[in-house]
Amino acid sequence: SQQGEEDPQALSIQEGENATMNCSYKTSINNLQWYRQNSGRGLVHLILIRSNEREKHSGRLRVTLDTSKKSSSLLITASRAADTASYFCATVSYYGNNRLAFGKGNQVVVIP
Amino acid sequence: EPEVTQTPSHQVTQMGQEVILRCVPISNHLYFYWYRQILGQKVEFLVSFYNNEISEKSEIFDDQFSVERPDGSNFTLKIRSTKLEDSAMYFCASRDLEIIQETQYFGPGTRLLVL
Repeated sequence: SQQGEEDPQALSIQEGENATMNCSYKTSINNLQWYRQNSGRGLVHLILIRSNEREKHSGRLRVTLDTSKKSSSLLITASRAADTASYFCATVSYYGNNRLAFGKGNQVVVIP
Repeated sequence: EPEVTQTPSHQVTQMGQEVILRCVPISNHLYFYWYRQILGQKVEFLVSFYNNEISEKSEIFDDQFSVERPDGSNFTLKIRSTKLEDSAMYFCASRDLEIIQETQYFGPGTRLLVL
């Protein structure tokens, strides 16, 4: 079954630096979404990129999608302390079901 | 901005007891979901619900689980006889049917602890 899986890394960066996270998946997708989760809290939708898109921007977020490599990256520019959270990618299958398949998450700590 | 709400925020129960987790999806959304996240693990899909019936369920969603939309606003997840391994954060989500396979909006979650 298809599955989003982030590179299992924890990032610790200084405020103002950029943070990059990667995600890979296994099967054909309709879209890929990134979510943020603050410690012990709910999931906040950040951005969605469709399988026919290669790059998308939203504020300080930049997402890329490479369907040939089945991978995506999330870049947060000019990070802030409030960006400290776990970031998850989640994929929706091309084949009609609409469940989200989540990756394991990347913990990002932005040091003020 | 409309949002998904969930109650209670925390629930502690004894093994074998029944629990009902409640969700109020965004009002014009027609597709509803339950996911769970065991501490330190991935968010896992449980079930999706549309037009008053289950449209898809995962292997986790066994006979101990059921979902219901008892009225026009609430969407519930019932666990009939809780087990220790049911301890997790349970998330409800909803989406607008009109845009196929678009964003799912999540509630803040219910943290369930089974003792």
